[in-house]
Order: sequence, then C-alpha cells, then structure tokens
Amino acid sequence: TQLLEQSPQFLSIQEGENLTVYCNSSSVFSSLQWYRQEPGEGPVLLVTVVTGGEVKKLKRLTFQFGDARKDSSLHITAAQPGDTGLYLCAADTGRRALTFGSGTRLQVQP
Amino acid sequence: GAVVSQHPSRVICKSGTSVKIECRSLDFQATTMFWYRQFPKKSLMLMATSNEGSKATYEQGVEKDKFLINHASLTLSTLTVTSAHPEDSSFYICSAQPGLAGVTDTQYFGPGTRLTVL
Repeated sequence: TQLLEQSPQFLSIQEGENLTVYCNSSSVFSSLQWYRQEPGEGPVLLVTVVTGGEVKKLKRLTFQFGDARKDSSLHITAAQPGDTGLYLCAADTGRRALTFGSGTRLQVQP
Repeated sequence: GAVVSQHPSRVICKSGTSVKIECRSLDFQATTMFWYRQFPKKSLMLMATSNEGSKATYEQGVEKDKFLINHASLTLSTLTVTSAHPEDSSFYICSAQPGLAGVTDTQYFGPGTRLTVL
C-alpha cells in the first residue's frame, strides 16, 4: 500500500484545458512537496506547503494543502504542452528522507 | 540555487560487473544524501540514506552488500552496484540535503543515472 496515493495516474488533455491532481494519505504531514519530473531527468521542486488549508500559486499552478494536512491538490489552469511531465507529491515521514506519491503522468496535446 | 550533479548520466554494463555512480553537491555541503531508484513509468523509491562519515541506512528490502554506498566527504556520495544483473537496470537518482543533522531541510535532486545491464 502506497503511503501517498495520487490520482489520476495518467491524464491526457488538450492545450487550454484545466486539470486537478490529487495526493491523498491517511497520515498527517508537517509539510508536503510537489515536484515535476521530465523523462531522463531528476525531479524539480515546484512548491512546499506547510500550513493546513494553505494555498500557494505559481503562475498557472495552484497548490492546496488540506486542512488536516493529510492531502493536497495541484490545479493547473489553461494547460500548455510545456506542462507535460510526471507530477509527484512527496512528504517527509520523519526520517528526513522523502516518501514520494505514486505519481501522475500528464500529457498536454497541442 | 543549489546544484547536484551525477556521473555518469548513462551507463551500460555487462552482467556480473560493478558500476559506480557519483553524486556531488557542487555549491553546498551536504551532511545527508539520499539514493532513490525509479523504474520506468513509476515513482521514486528510497533505497538508502547516506550520512557523511558513517554507514548508510538502507531501506527494507535493499541489499546493502549489493548496493554499496560511501559518503566520504560533505560533497560526494557514491553508489556502487556490485555484480550487476539485468534486473538492476533502472534510473538511479540522488539528492543532497544541506543543513545540520536532525534538521529537516530542502532536498536538491541530481539529474539521475540511467543504468542498463546487459
């Protein structure tokens, strides 16, 4: 059983559409991170959310941390082909190492 | 920003040989480095935590005699895959964490190393 479950696993949409990716857990986290990874490269940190209910915006990306700090969402507005990639949520489970979610593979068609 | 490099970026080796992968923090000192493994279309799985000057801590199911980790300095950790087999083929990613031991800090990821064992 994955500690952090992401949904959907795969998403293929047209340029200009909106989408939301979810990261859920039964555990409470002090913080949660979102990464984007392109094929053959390491993951790149997008954002860290710390406070329950927190909302952070990064251009067309909106990140939300659940009130209970067990879940998070990533919403992309007007997706572009450059948004294509693997989106990963991750949390520190108390050992300093990160536990990654199952991942959501996004493909944005032009 | 903090930069982490990995070398080599790609390596192909024959079954039974050993392969060493280097992870370097280029502009900061890392007391802790982490090694992850990623299979195609899958997420990252933590293999081990490497602390400078001490033995690595391996995750359950990861063979410490097969995946040798050395963290000899504050800027370099190495992962050696010994007696490699085709099932060891994977994408290996390291990350480095600046800051003091016991203090949670941002991890900076390397670009990964693609290992193919023939």
